[in-house]
Amino acid sequence: GENVEQHPSTLSVQEGDSAVIKCTYSDSASNYFPWYKQELGKGPQLIIDIRSNVGEKKDQRIAVTLNKTAKHFSLHITETQPEDSAVYFCAASKGTALIFGKGTTLSVSS
Amino acid sequence: DGGITQSPKYLFRKEGQNVTLSCEQNLNHDAMYWYRQDPGQGLRLIYYSQIVNDFQKGDIAEGYSVSREKKESFPLTVTSAQKNPTAFYLCASSPGATDTQYFGPGTRLTVL
Repeated sequence: GENVEQHPSTLSVQEGDSAVIKCTYSDSASNYFPWYKQELGKGPQLIIDIRSNVGEKKDQRIAVTLNKTAKHFSLHITETQPEDSAVYFCAASKGTALIFGKGTTLSVSS
Repeated sequence: DGGITQSPKYLFRKEGQNVTLSCEQNLNHDAMYWYRQDPGQGLRLIYYSQIVNDFQKGDIAEGYSVSREKKESFPLTVTSAQKNPTAFYLCASSPGATDTQYFGPGTRLTVL
């Protein structure tokens, strides 16, 4: 069935470095790709999303790129800060629902 | 978390008991969703509803039931038929079925 693969599962960076998380999807009909940040014990918060009619979207230190031909999309965080430490999930649309990756635990050390 | 509330935050039940988790939204969203999250796993869809009085099964609906009698409310019942009910349950809503989903704070259910 349709699935979303997310890598890496854990990522440790120094404050100020960049972090990149990558996802691949299998359903060629997917056209919406959100990214969520989840802090411990809380619900996921949308941080950025992209639709299939654009290749890149940026919001301050966060950017997402989409390659529909290769069926992969990536989250880029620049100038990381300790408060960026959290679990990040990618997702791809499946009809009216979302299929989620298994998450990446990002640790930013100062 | 926006205008989505889930209660209670923590819930304990004995094995064999049914339990109902509450989800309310004041965002005037048409669509609502229930997900289950297990440690180290992504979110898996249990049920979703695109409109009042209508809902569809997700990938892991067995052992769960829902109702959508009001636009604002989408309660989830975890029945005794659910073999591994202990998990973190997340409710979400979106303006329409293909729009951005916004999540509530979650309910952690522990079955003893």
